[in-house]
Amino acid sequence: QLQLQESGPQLVKPSETLSLTCNVSGGSIRDDYHYWVWIRQPPGKGLEWIGTIFYTGTTDYNPSLRGRVTISVDKSKNQFSLEVTSVTAADTAVYFCASRLVVTAKPYDCWGQGTLVRVSS
Amino acid sequence: DIQMTQSPSSLSASVGDRVTITCRAAQNIYRYLNWYQHKPGKAPNLLIYAASSLQSGVPPRFIGNGSGTDFALTITSLQPQDFATYYCQQSYRTPSFGPGTRVDIK
Repeated sequence: QLQLQESGPQLVKPSETLSLTCNVSGGSIRDDYHYWVWIRQPPGKGLEWIGTIFYTGTTDYNPSLRGRVTISVDKSKNQFSLEVTSVTAADTAVYFCASRLVVTAKPYDCWGQGTLVRVSS
Repeated sequence: DIQMTQSPSSLSASVGDRVTITCRAAQNIYRYLNWYQHKPGKAPNLLIYAASSLQSGVPPRFIGNGSGTDFALTITSLQPQDFATYYCQQSYRTPSFGPGTRVDIK
């Protein structure tokens, strides 16, 4: 069964780059039936889709974050990663990685537990 | 972005109650609607996809219906493990989530 786990620094300074990695276990990231996704939830706020990647490297980003976000995949490590540049306090959030099924309605069928990243000096 | 709303924002219910949560999209999203359950500190869990399809392993007491702009998630007999926050999510355009409905114990 697919399992995802986020890792990375829990504290990032303003204007710096937030970097997180999602380790995929129980399945291959070279999966034709899944895309790989980052989603975040600021404290007390709703869930926000950040972006999606296929193992071939094809990406799609939330227009509200485009220009600051890069998602990449490392097939050799069965991982995918997120970078958010020029962070501010508004980027403080619980960051989730997830898998998205290649079926109608494109649901997120497996999620990591999430990792809280605080932006503060 | 397609705005999603949910009602109620929270509710209190007892074990065995029938509970219905509604989700409304600001425009027609056909059946591109999914439902998730989330407990604090845990990974969110997919319950329903494409408005009414039950995800594998999810108990049949969870029922989804609707199409277009109006959707509902019904829990036919609330169990102790069902106390959580529930989110709807549309995937017709740039993905977006509803604000959530918190279900707690009366």
